[in-house]
Amino acid sequence: NAGVTQTPKFQVLKTGQSMTLQCAQDMNHNSMYWYRQDPGMGLRLIYYSASEGTTDKGEVPNGYNVSRLNKREFSLRLESAAPSQTSVYFCASRDKGQGNYGYTFGSGTRLTVV
Amino acid sequence: QKEVEQNSGPLSVPEGAIASLNCTYSDRVSQSFFWYRQYSGKSPELIMSIYSNGDKEDGRFTAQLNKASQYVSLLIRDSQPSDSATYLCAVIAGNTGKLIFGQGTTLQVKP
Repeated sequence: NAGVTQTPKFQVLKTGQSMTLQCAQDMNHNSMYWYRQDPGMGLRLIYYSASEGTTDKGEVPNGYNVSRLNKREFSLRLESAAPSQTSVYFCASRDKGQGNYGYTFGSGTRLTVV
Repeated sequence: QKEVEQNSGPLSVPEGAIASLNCTYSDRVSQSFFWYRQYSGKSPELIMSIYSNGDKEDGRFTAQLNKASQYVSLLIRDSQPSDSATYLCAVIAGNTGKLIFGQGTTLQVKP
């Protein structure tokens, strides 16, 4: 099925470990986004990529890096995980076509840092 | 001031009633507004988008936009227990294309 695929779905890390969250979309969308969601905080933008080859910081970029590998894939890397990065991470892509500017979200990655 | 604000609730309504969810935003140049529904443990799902002042209806859902007051609302008619979820208001910030979310309102529809 067409959509946004995130891997892994669940992950437990120890403080200081690194990992990469993967995201791929097959809808030919130009723009891709990484959000984190914490209880009572809504979704907060970490990084985004308006088009292949470009990335920009969002509201909460500290402690993260991203790579827009190609038009389909946008990865999020935690170089040295901290307990404050325990969260649910959502990847999204955007259709800028006529009449639809909404985002499509992946199913999320639930990350716990102990 | 947060860019997008919602009352976190919970908002509790009886089955069959109208649920009214409200949202305000701070960026006057915003042009695109969205309502997402999120069930517990699931990803957000787009249910309404609105770009012009006035009302937009889709089935039991009506989105209302008032740009002068910087106010967006969502009405759910004939509320059902299956509508119980968190509703997220989201705004595309200015000309950046970035989607900014409110903290969400939890709706409980009681049978």
